[in-house]
Amino acid sequence: IQMTQSPSLLSASVGDRVTLSCKAGQNINNYLAWYQQKLGEAPKLLIYNANSLQTGIPSRFSGSGSGTDFTLTISSLQPEDVATYFCQQYNSWRTFGGGTKLELK
Amino acid sequence: EVQLVETGGGLVQPGRSLKLSCVASGFTFSSYWMYWIRQAPGKGLEWVSSINTDGGSTYYPDSVKGRFTISRDNAENTVYLQMNSLRSEDTATYYCAKDGGPYNYGFAYWGQGTLVTVSS
Repeated sequence: IQMTQSPSLLSASVGDRVTLSCKAGQNINNYLAWYQQKLGEAPKLLIYNANSLQTGIPSRFSGSGSGTDFTLTISSLQPEDVATYFCQQYNSWRTFGGGTKLELK
Repeated sequence: EVQLVETGGGLVQPGRSLKLSCVASGFTFSSYWMYWIRQAPGKGLEWVSSINTDGGSTYYPDSVKGRFTISRDNAENTVYLQMNSLRSEDTATYYCAKDGGPYNYGFAYWGQGTLVTVSS
């Protein structure tokens, strides 16, 4: 199942509400996760089952969507949120999106 | 605390083999599926293999099927990735991971990764 993320690069200011998009090539029944990866680190799970917040993740992160269209929202961007974000489906094996790189404006 | 520690990476010539290991601790290893994921330098993430709890079922994407073999030793809390017929496009950091279970099938825990470089 192909996963397409947009945009590939996003510039935003501290305090902005940021929205990242992920589209699946077919219905993935909400079996979607979001990860944050900072430079030189392993990815960190933020959201699973499309909208469930992983333990220990700040509440400014939220996930939404169903079927084929999904969104990761950061309600108020913080400097430490600068990273690349990946979506991943686990409805059929595992496939990752190409990533969205989030930088500060 | 869950810990996953990968070892075995390094420089290898095209066509040769390499075996990666991932030692797990902090959870009941034999109760969880385990996974390998890789990331080529500056690129995205690619799932490489999965293995069920007793090692009886394994899964791979087409890109590595027939060349890579995942296995596990539940007595040693270790999962392995045997990589044969390596190609330059297999150059990547290889991570082992486990899901957050139950009902959380995202990769909640990752190792630090081990770099495999395939080059002559």
